[in-house]
Amino acid sequence: EVQVVESGGGLVQPGESLRLSCAASGFMFGDYWMSWVRQAPGKGLEWVAHINQDGSEKYYVDSVKGRFTISRDNAKKSLYLQMNSLRVEDTAVFYCARDGPGYCYRSRCFSGYYFDYWGQGALVTVSS
Amino acid sequence: QSALTQPASVSGSPGQSITISCTGTSSDVGTYNYVSWYQQHPGKAPKLMIYDVTNRPSGVSNRFSGSKSGNTASLTISGLQAEDEADYYCSSYTSSTTLVFGGGTSLTVL
Repeated sequence: EVQVVESGGGLVQPGESLRLSCAASGFMFGDYWMSWVRQAPGKGLEWVAHINQDGSEKYYVDSVKGRFTISRDNAKKSLYLQMNSLRVEDTAVFYCARDGPGYCYRSRCFSGYYFDYWGQGALVTVSS
Repeated sequence: QSALTQPASVSGSPGQSITISCTGTSSDVGTYNYVSWYQQHPGKAPKLMIYDVTNRPSGVSNRFSGSKSGNTASLTISGLQAEDEADYYCSSYTSSTTLVFGGGTSLTVL
């Protein structure tokens, strides 16, 4: 059974840092792009970032560029999100999600640009 | 990276059909067939319902279908059931090599 489980959420003050982790199981982690998606309280979904299979390609939403870093450790089947300079508006439930498979071309496999498995989320609260 | 536009709410009676629209631009929905739809019940994680505009994942009821015309994608739910009451979100790939969600639509089954 495919599972992704987030951890590391909590309460921090504005300007502080936090690292989220996502443990994957039930599938070949190293074969998939992975994403972070967040949802502010009472609001809609917002894609945050995704990373390719070997960590060489990373893409971010503009609002977190320069502050957040997505990374992965395929040996540990884990995805991470390092969040620095946190702001009140970053308060949200952060979901780890597996990108659906896309096409492969010349040994490069793309994301399918959709999310087929989601974790239950980790709450990050930024408040003074 | 503006959010895709969805109606805030839709409603329908059991057995009826409803359609939720998702309007983007030529930089996202209008150019790419990477439109997906998600169902989210309160307090739960989102669930994939449709991907690549029209494809249904294994296990998703065939009452759910997707389509696209120009810059607008649509999700249709036929034979509405009480358990369909949830929030629905569309998503698309964009020319900025990012992904964007719609603002979400709350479906009420009357």
